[in-house]
Amino acid sequence: EDQVTQSPEALRLQEGESSSLNCSYTVSGLRGLFWYRQDPGKGPEFLFTLYSAGEEKEKERLKATLTKKESFLHITAPKPEDSATYLCAVQGTSGGSNYKLTFGKGTLLTVNP
Amino acid sequence: SAVISQKPSRDICQRGTSLTIQCQVDSQVTMMFWYRQQPGQSLTLIATANQGSEATYESGFVIDKFPISRPNLTFSTLTVSNMSPEDSSIYLCSLLQHEQFFGPGTRLTVL
Repeated sequence: EDQVTQSPEALRLQEGESSSLNCSYTVSGLRGLFWYRQDPGKGPEFLFTLYSAGEEKEKERLKATLTKKESFLHITAPKPEDSATYLCAVQGTSGGSNYKLTFGKGTLLTVNP
Repeated sequence: SAVISQKPSRDICQRGTSLTIQCQVDSQVTMMFWYRQQPGQSLTLIATANQGSEATYESGFVIDKFPISRPNLTFSTLTVSNMSPEDSSIYLCSLLQHEQFFGPGTRLTVL
């Protein structure tokens, strides 16, 4: 069974203070690892898909990286508008729907001005 | 990406009743999904809904409790039947357009 663990559960940063969020996963065969951003009262917003170890993707102040066991979401010089819950999900090759996403519980990021 | 809307956005229901949640997409998509996000828990896939075929349910979810319709390529409904307080959750539809994109969710409270 695919599993995703995100840490920390919550992270509070000062504006401009860079940090990283962790996503550890176990999956029989990785089709893809996904990062989403979720604001209160809204559905998840797609950020990145990573397919293989060593892959990196960037979008504004965010950079996602992938190894065979974990992914990191690096946030460089964050701003208050980056405050949200960041969700990590994997899509594996075993069991259930071929398109099933298995999510972690998320990291609640708060960036103070 | 396609624009996804859900109705209702929130509702408060009595135990033992049923609620049907609608998901409308502004373009045609083959694959749609229904997820549940319980308080403090991970987003969990309930079922996959393809137009023209029966929905495929994940382990722990059954059609009698969560019947799904997919009458065309832009619309789907999820019914939460015979509700109990444990069904209080956010229900989200999503679609596959290269990636999975999510609707805004329906926040359900069962008293």
